[in-house]
Amino acid sequence: QSALTQPASVSGSPGQSITISCTGTSSDVGGYNYVSWYQQHPGKAPKLMIYDVSKRPSGVSNRFSGSKSGNTASLTISGLQAEDEADYYCSSYTSSSTSVFGGGTKLTVL
Amino acid sequence: EVQLLESGGGLVQPGGSLRLSCAASGFTFRTYAMSWVRQAPGKGLEWVSGLSTTDFNTYYADSVKGRFTISRDNSKNTLYLQMNSLTTEDTAVYFCAKEGSSWPNYNGLDVWGQGTTVTVSS
Repeated sequence: QSALTQPASVSGSPGQSITISCTGTSSDVGGYNYVSWYQQHPGKAPKLMIYDVSKRPSGVSNRFSGSKSGNTASLTISGLQAEDEADYYCSSYTSSSTSVFGGGTKLTVL
Repeated sequence: EVQLLESGGGLVQPGGSLRLSCAASGFTFRTYAMSWVRQAPGKGLEWVSGLSTTDFNTYYADSVKGRFTISRDNSKNTLYLQMNSLTTEDTAVYFCAKEGSSWPNYNGLDVWGQGTTVTVSS
């Protein structure tokens, strides 16, 4: 159950778009369409932003979108806003019927 | 309002045990899978355990398998995590979370509690 690989940090200016990658294997990300993305502000509980690779829960801005190609999933945030500054984590179902998270990516809005 | 409220955290010595509880409200608890996720100080999220709508289908991370037991009481709308043989590596904030379907690890964790802190130290 090795953690999925995410970049440690990404940054962008207000109004720009950024993409966070999440790389796994054929036993997790590549094998199933069950990738989720979470946003976590300091000291707060995580919040579900994307599930099933590209679906948005009710109430989540359409500025957030997800996709997958092979063993790599991606989260794109368009029209960056100051409130988007947070840690982002991907998660995937695995062939062991468990879940695995990525190491997390710190998004800085410049 | 959909809500999850964890309790039971605290300070415990290495080798000790602790039982976490998570009280659910605002949704039909018995129809959703549930999971526990933890976060060590300054670290990322780690999935710990999940179970389906009954206790018959349970899943664990390798790091806790054989030491932790997840269970639920649908009559009390409560999720539990029994933690035995604790080590300093288990020090973390433990979150309970509601799955988006009746099976764990598929459709994302759409509701989270505020977390309860477990500190393992002598």
